[in-house]
Amino acid sequence: GAVVSQHPSRVICKSGTSVKIECRSLDFQATTMFWYRQFPKKSLMLMATSNEGSKATYEQGVEKDKFLINHASLTLSTLTVTSAHPEDSSFYICSAQTGNYGYTFGSGTRLTVV
Amino acid sequence: AQSVTQPDIHITVSEGASLELRCNYSYGATPYLFWYVQSPGQGLQLLLKYFSGDTLVQGIKGFEAEFKRSQSSFNLRKPSVHWSDAAEYFCAVGPSGGYNKLIFGAGTRLAVHP
Repeated sequence: GAVVSQHPSRVICKSGTSVKIECRSLDFQATTMFWYRQFPKKSLMLMATSNEGSKATYEQGVEKDKFLINHASLTLSTLTVTSAHPEDSSFYICSAQTGNYGYTFGSGTRLTVV
Repeated sequence: AQSVTQPDIHITVSEGASLELRCNYSYGATPYLFWYVQSPGQGLQLLLKYFSGDTLVQGIKGFEAEFKRSQSSFNLRKPSVHWSDAAEYFCAVGPSGGYNKLIFGAGTRLAVHP
């Protein structure tokens, strides 16, 4: 079946630095990928939708300059948290659309900003 | 606007007991409905989905769900719960918006007592 690999699984960074999270579709081409943020014991909040070769579409309230999304190929989308601060600490999950309304999720990235 | 409600934030059952997790949705058209499970620190795994046809859907790990249009519900059931079923369960509805986004409920945390 479709597999989405998300890396890294955990990252700790210093406040003010940037962190890049990768989301790869391993055995299929993902035209559309989704990036979610999940707060502790909370549901998934969609941050943005990325489409290969075009600019990402951000949800209302999500800072485009803070959360840079790049979907340069059909198998890779990246989320860069720029100038990270402790309030950006969270669990980030990517998802790739597979076929007709199929969605495969990555295993998530735990970001801690110190 | 589309929305998903999971009324039960936390449910505790005994191992071997039956389980029902509730999900109600608000959607303007025929919805596509999903149930996902998330273990701590992990991504989401699809349990089952409903697009059309038979309203009783069988999924993995012995789960099933029933779509009831008249009640706008898609409740998840399992006849006999195992300790390994302890996890967070999310109901989702889609598509939403031009990019086939999923809308997630708040989740139900399941605890299983031996």
